[in-house]
Amino acid sequence: DADVTQTPRNRITKTGKRIMLECSQTKGHDRMYWYRQDPGLGLRLIYYSFDVKDINKGEISDGYSVSRQAQAKFSLSLESAIPNQTALYFCATSGGASVFFGPGTRLTVL
Amino acid sequence: GENVEQHPSTLSVQEGDSAVIKCTYSDSASNYFPWYKQELGKRPQLIIDIRSNVGEKKDQRIAVTLNKTAKHFSLHITETQPEDSAVYFCAADSWGKFQFGAGTQVVVTP
Repeated sequence: DADVTQTPRNRITKTGKRIMLECSQTKGHDRMYWYRQDPGLGLRLIYYSFDVKDINKGEISDGYSVSRQAQAKFSLSLESAIPNQTALYFCATSGGASVFFGPGTRLTVL
Repeated sequence: GENVEQHPSTLSVQEGDSAVIKCTYSDSASNYFPWYKQELGKRPQLIIDIRSNVGEKKDQRIAVTLNKTAKHFSLHITETQPEDSAVYFCAADSWGKFQFGAGTQVVVTP
């Protein structure tokens, strides 16, 4: 699905650095999500947004922040990266039914 | 909040046999239950879904059943093929907030 894009696709950073992951969608969906995937832990919800003025914490929001710059853009920031934030991060969108995922960003924090 | 448990975590089946993955959820307000397949290195993709007013849904070799009273739902794959090897995730939608199970690694051996 080129409808949901994420940048960068891979990123290596150091402990303490600030990093931003970006997500854009052309599906016209109002709902956007950020998930983190770790082996054996599935997909855990970090933050979600139902429209530009609505931001909600998920189950693992500590250490993360988000910005919904427009209906089509939802970015995730790590204010001060730590090694246990090394994971695969997925942005997703929904028009009210199922969730569509972006290609993922593999983040490594050294 | 919603909690989704998925079993088993790994499942090895002979080609041609059936595979069954089970999930339970906790929030009785959940009313939509999608299943996703994630192949190695790729994003999760929707394969089938079921709404709370339906007890069973079938799409070729894949079927999903839902028991609202017991709060559990299952994925059934019949006549498994090597290309069914992947990680499968169940999810429950509670007011637009999708919670995922931890995933099941399915390996189909020829």
